[in-house]
Amino acid sequence: EIVLTQSPGTLSLSPGERATLSCRASQSVSSSYLAWYQQKPGQAPRLLIYGASSRATGIPDRFSGSGSGTDFTLTISRLEPEDFAVYYCQQYGMSPPWTFGQGTKVEIK
Amino acid sequence: QVQLQESGPGLVKPSETLSLTCTVSGASVSSESYFWSWIRQPPGKGLEWIGNIYHSGSSNYNPSLKSRVTISVDTSKTQLSLKLSSVTAADTAMYYCARVLSGWYSFDCWGQGTLVTVSS
Repeated sequence: EIVLTQSPGTLSLSPGERATLSCRASQSVSSSYLAWYQQKPGQAPRLLIYGASSRATGIPDRFSGSGSGTDFTLTISRLEPEDFAVYYCQQYGMSPPWTFGQGTKVEIK
Repeated sequence: QVQLQESGPGLVKPSETLSLTCTVSGASVSSESYFWSWIRQPPGKGLEWIGNIYHSGSSNYNPSLKSRVTISVDTSKTQLSLKLSSVTAADTAMYYCARVLSGWYSFDCWGQGTLVTVSS
């Protein structure tokens, strides 16, 4: 099983600041199969990034993804008030299970 | 516009079988462009993939749940179903159905979720 470790656990930032979230895999993940999600309280997760760097439909360009192998990053260039939420990375591998990271909470400082 | 809606009992007794349905509108559950998943989230915790069902009708499951879980699809009703047997309190969670982008293996559309509590 591929374990995804996200850091930091909590990120305290102000609106307008840049957020950098990390997702590290216990073994190499194909870039095609790494995704990022945003989840707000009481809501289902929303797909932000697939294929490590492709924005999903309707996602603002302040969200960007990068990385390869075992290290992946989600960057929010300038935080808007609606961006304060929990973010998860997720991987698909040839053998089950598909796994998620434990999440990074981006909170208002 | 694709919409997914989960439904089922909100309370299940220990040792019984949890049964949920996901009704899909705005998309064909038979399309080769997508397949379908169930994912759960215990209160205050992270996300756990339960399993997938493909347009062929085949499925695969999380090994940690494989002995207890069955996912199926009813194309005539455009519904997915999830059955989880021998439940315990550890199965208390929000259960989501989601659509998966074939080729990218990411969940691009989610239902709102349904909370299932396991308690006597």
